[in-house]
Amino acid sequence: DGGITQSPKYLFRKEGQNVTLSCEQNLNHDAMYWYRQDPGQGLRLIYYSQIVNDFQKGDIAEGYSVSREKKESFPLTVTSAQKNPTAFYLCASSITGDPEAFFGQGTRLTVV
Amino acid sequence: AQSVTQLDSQVPVFEEAPVELRCNYSSSVSVYLFWYVQYPNQGLQLLLKYLSGSTLVKGINGFEAEFNKSQTSFHLRKPSVHISDTAEYFCAVSDAGGTSYGKLTFGQGTILTVHP
Repeated sequence: DGGITQSPKYLFRKEGQNVTLSCEQNLNHDAMYWYRQDPGQGLRLIYYSQIVNDFQKGDIAEGYSVSREKKESFPLTVTSAQKNPTAFYLCASSITGDPEAFFGQGTRLTVV
Repeated sequence: AQSVTQLDSQVPVFEEAPVELRCNYSSSVSVYLFWYVQYPNQGLQLLLKYLSGSTLVKGINGFEAEFNKSQTSFHLRKPSVHISDTAEYFCAVSDAGGTSYGKLTFGQGTILTVHP
């Protein structure tokens, strides 16, 4: 079945450590996105990529980094510079020219 | 820049009653409009979308929404809710003239709780 796979579902890290969240899609979509969700704030765009080897900052990119070396993969690294990293992270993808975005099941990151 | 306001953070309703979840948006350009549903600790599922044409849009699970350009609103309705509709609902917009349509601006979310 086609879809977006985020792993792991739950992730715990100590403060000051970098952590990488995985996002893989087999939908053959060109564009991929990372959103952060906090209670009562909806979803906010962190980074997005429309093509391999290219990506742009979203609204809250500080403290995060991404790479897009393959069409299927768009990993997100939460660095120690992110002041409040505990959140639910959602990856999405879409076809260029199609308005609909498809979402993964999310990764809940807890930093202690 | 775009913004989305969901006017109710929580909506309690009894089973089989009608419900309306309100969404207003602000944008200087034409937009596409979406409603997504999220069950606890899961991703988002598309309920319906407005791209063009008829302003009344029908989606999955018996939901519908009406695009009102003059009032910049896109309210979600269901004539009779079920316990299984309990979830969080998000309204979102994207730039209709843009090249990256999955770049969405979301509202804050409305938690719908259906009571027996």
